Amino acid sequence: GQQVMQIPQYQHVQEGEDFTTYCNSSTTLSNIQWYKQRPGGHPVFLIQLVKSGEVKKQKRLTFQFGEAKKNSSLHITATQTTDVGTYFCARTGGFKTIFGAGTRLFVKA
Amino acid sequence: SQTIHQWPATLVQPVGSPLSLECTVEGTSNPNLYWYRQAAGRGLQLLFYSVGIGQISSEVPQNLSASRPQDRQFILSSKKLLLSDSGFYLCAWSLSGREETQYFGPGTRLLVL
Repeated sequence: GQQVMQIPQYQHVQEGEDFTTYCNSSTTLSNIQWYKQRPGGHPVFLIQLVKSGEVKKQKRLTFQFGEAKKNSSLHITATQTTDVGTYFCARTGGFKTIFGAGTRLFVKA
Repeated sequence: SQTIHQWPATLVQPVGSPLSLECTVEGTSNPNLYWYRQAAGRGLQLLFYSVGIGQISSEVPQNLSASRPQDRQFILSSKKLLLSDSGFYLCAWSLSGREETQYFGPGTRLLVL
């Protein structure tokens, strides 16, 4: 249906290692959004991807939207302790936004 | 600039008691408004959304209700809380229209005992 599946559920990395979370849909997406929620905080919008094959970068974060617009990924290069939190992908459908279950990132200093 | 307020920040309530959580948005007109619940360590469950005053869409049938008495005010209520109502309640707004970015409030942590 409208769900987006996100993997992995958890990821433990050593500071300096890279991290990737993946978001998949069984249907074509009109767009994909990414949000970050710090521990104890609220989700904060990071970026929206709209075009097939789109790639956007924010400093050490790289966001990709698949050619078929059914999957997306968020890659963090050389993680830092400030990257700790849960990363959610989300699809929009009309007035609603449907969130994936999130990937919780733990970074060991 | 736009800001979103939620209160209270934390709440401890006995089972069977009523609930009222309030959310207000400043700096924008006719926003879409949303209520989400997040269980500990889990994802975001959409509870209600509203595209205008008095217009409420319910996503999950349960003992909660929502109301939008004013353009920038969204209220989440319950007549009798259940243990399973515990969680982190988040209000969010977006610009009117479809497929817009969501901006979340600070949330209310509710513990039902």
